Amino acid sequence: AQSVTQPDIHITVSEGASLELRCNYSYGATPYLFWYVQSPGQGLQLLLKYFSGDTLVQGIKGFEAEFKRSQSSFNLRKPSVHWSDAAEYFCAVGLNDMRFGAGTRLTVKP
Amino acid sequence: EAGVAQSPRYKIIEKRQSVAFWCNPISGHATLYWYQQILGQGPKLLIQFQNNGVVDDSQLPKDRFSAERLKGVDSTLKIQPAKLEDSAVYLCASSLAGPNEQFFGPGTRLTVL
Repeated sequence: AQSVTQPDIHITVSEGASLELRCNYSYGATPYLFWYVQSPGQGLQLLLKYFSGDTLVQGIKGFEAEFKRSQSSFNLRKPSVHWSDAAEYFCAVGLNDMRFGAGTRLTVKP
Repeated sequence: EAGVAQSPRYKIIEKRQSVAFWCNPISGHATLYWYQQILGQGPKLLIQFQNNGVVDDSQLPKDRFSAERLKGVDSTLKIQPAKLEDSAVYLCASSLAGPNEQFFGPGTRLTVL
């Protein structure tokens, strides 16, 4: 069965520090991969997506993610976090269906 | 470009009552999704339409939930009768076609008392 795991429920980083949010999936084939961000009271916004090709993808707001087929992972990274990045982050996978992870809540310390 | 519209934004009902949500996707988007997001969890896909046909409804509790997308544009999601555990935000999203970038509406927050 398809599943998406985000192992970290909550992460706290200092402003300016680097960030990595983990995502692992279980799927019958290589699915399309997405990262979305949800700020309090806001809708979900797409940060980046992977369909095929270069396994390192760039997104909006300085985020990037790397697809590792051997590890069934699609981790999200940012070299320097800003206070405005505090939000809930969701990994999603799918082909003709979509499955979201439970989310990782990011807190940014000043 | 107008985004995905949903109404109502908030709804409070008592258990065993019925409720309906409406979604108007972005013009030209063939694929429409309904998700249920319970507090503290990720969105859970309830049903996916491609035009007016159902692609995936494997996680839709069909004994109480129903959805339709007449004419392949607007969609309604209905719950009848509602249970306490249906309290959640119901999100509608649309995409041009298939598993592409989804654009989400603001959601409808349902409280079942």
